[in-house]
Order: sequence, then C-alpha cells, then structure tokens
Amino acid sequence: DVKVTQSSRYLVKRTGEKVFLECVQDMDHENMFWYRQDPGLGLRLIYFSYDVKMKEKGDIPEGYSVSREKKERFSLILESASTNQTSMYLCASSPRTSGGLTDTQYFGPGTRLTVL
Amino acid sequence: DAKTTQPPSMDCAEGRAANLPCNHSTISGNEYVYWYRQIHSQGPQYIIHGLKNNETNEMASLIITEDRKSSTLILPHATLRDTAVYYCIVRVALGYSTLTFGKGTMLLVSP
Repeated sequence: DVKVTQSSRYLVKRTGEKVFLECVQDMDHENMFWYRQDPGLGLRLIYFSYDVKMKEKGDIPEGYSVSREKKERFSLILESASTNQTSMYLCASSPRTSGGLTDTQYFGPGTRLTVL
Repeated sequence: DAKTTQPPSMDCAEGRAANLPCNHSTISGNEYVYWYRQIHSQGPQYIIHGLKNNETNEMASLIITEDRKSSTLILPHATLRDTAVYYCIVRVALGYSTLTFGKGTMLLVSP
C-alpha cells in the first residue's frame, strides 16, 4: 500500500511564526504535491515537485516555499504565518507517467493548521 | 479538464449497493475518469479510475457508458465507514497534472 505521512495532524501557530509542514512517502514516487483545502474553495495547489531539488509553483504559491532535498520528503514552509493561512494542508505523491498513462495521486491524512 | 456533475447527496442502507452517478458530457478522448472520496477531516482517498472499459478493484466498480459521457461508481456492499464525500474527476493523462475537486456527492450510509 502507498503510504504518505504528514508530520502533524493538528497544529496551532501564532501570526508571524515560521511554520514547517513535512511530508514523507514510501513508494519511491517522483512527483509530490502540496494542496490546501478550504470550505467552498475546494482543493488548491500550492507547489509541486517532479524531482529532487525541483519545484514548480501551483495556483497559490504566495506566502509559501517548499524544499525537496530527498526523493521521499517534501516540505512546505510558511515563512511568516498569517491568519488567512489557517487551513487543511494536504500532501500527495504520484509516480512519474510513461507512455501516456495518467498518474494516480495518493494523499496523506492532512494537517489542520490554525494561525492565531 | 472536463467538468463533472454529481448529485449533492445520496443515502444508502448498510449492506446495500451504493450507486453514485457522474455526468461528464464534455469529456475528450484522452481524459480518464477518476474517483476519490474524503471522509470527514481526512485526506482524500483514491478509489478507482478508468478510460473506457469498466473497471473493478477491491474497493469498487466503475461503469463508464459507451459514449463516455457518464459513469457510475458502485460500492457493492456499503458499510457505515463508506460515509464520505465522493468526487468524480475527469483529467488528461499528463505527467503531473493536478487535481481539481468539484463539490462531490455526500454519501450517507445508515444502519
């Protein structure tokens, strides 16, 4: 079974703090993703990575950065947390496609972050 | 990616089959149909996907109409733990195309 784990299920931080969210997958997947999910707004992509040290901006990268130093690990960093970053953060991973096959994304359990 | 239409909610009795419909009338030839579900406060869980043939795995069956404009996810023997929001997604076969979830169908399985 594919396993994607996230460092915390619940996190409470103060405005201005630097926040690290970590994601680890054990299936040797090339692609990893960070999303946030908010009521009424659905799933929105923050950043994704298709290889070690590679990253691409998603739809809403402002206020976030990412790090991928090892294939299995993808970190999301909130440089200076703000209240509008209170959300559910979801990490996902998927294998690299080949021959036109689509990729299935597997999700972690999520981190519910509250910024006070 | 093509848009999908799902009923906002459905009920099912425990032990019965749950049949969740999805319309995707603008689907194009290289787009797959994916199903995910999300149990409250958890991450989305992949269920099944298909291109044109019917598919079955240990969780569910996916029936895609011949014209590919609609599909049905079947949970053969629903349990209380199947209560969740079910998302039908249509997406192209690209390397790292992202997922866009619509509103989905809230399936409530009752004793």
